[in-house]
Amino acid sequence: EAQVTQNPRYLITVTGKKLTVTCSQNMNHEYMSWYRQDPGLGLRQIYYSMNVEVTDKGDVPEGYKVSRKEKRNFPLILESPSPNQTSLYFCASRSRGLGQYFGPGTRLTVL
Amino acid sequence: GQQLNQSPQSMFIQEGEDVSMNCTSSSIFNTWLWYKQDPGEGPVLLIALYKAGELTSNGRLTAQFGITRKDSFLNISASIPSDVGIYFCAGSNYGGSQGNLIFGKGTKLSVKP
Repeated sequence: EAQVTQNPRYLITVTGKKLTVTCSQNMNHEYMSWYRQDPGLGLRQIYYSMNVEVTDKGDVPEGYKVSRKEKRNFPLILESPSPNQTSLYFCASRSRGLGQYFGPGTRLTVL
Repeated sequence: GQQLNQSPQSMFIQEGEDVSMNCTSSSIFNTWLWYKQDPGEGPVLLIALYKAGELTSNGRLTAQFGITRKDSFLNISASIPSDVGIYFCAGSNYGGSQGNLIFGKGTKLSVKP
């Protein structure tokens, strides 16, 4: 089954404790992205990647890092999480010219 | 940066009614997408539009890519309770060096049986 998976689905952590949210897709898609969704603000892109070792900032990249060492994986790293990064995070992937497919979401709470 | 204005923000309709929502942009896109998000789930792609003027249907859903390339609309005919959710438009200039997608803030649809 074609899908985008994220882990963990839920995470509660404390300020400053580094964390990684993993994302994996099994569709051999070139493009992958990370979004955060906040009430009243909709979906905002954090980072995207057009292929292995090619990443670029989206609209709200501050406080986040990504890497794309393999085509199928695109982890999101928060080196020093802060409460304003409490949000619902979505990973997405697509092939060239097609619509994006989203993962199920990761709900992150930073205390 | 580019922004999308999606309207209405919310709709509360009776089952069986038709629904219309739209998105406008201050700049042009070469791709428009419409998504639906159910509570606790990720957005699911409903319709993708790749050409100005294109009109595409998916069951009871119809979407159009405006000829100015700055707008798009989504219609849902004969709404049913499972249409409830948040609908997002998204625009992109796929191809070239850009891979990013700009989203509207969503239209929350409620359907009264």
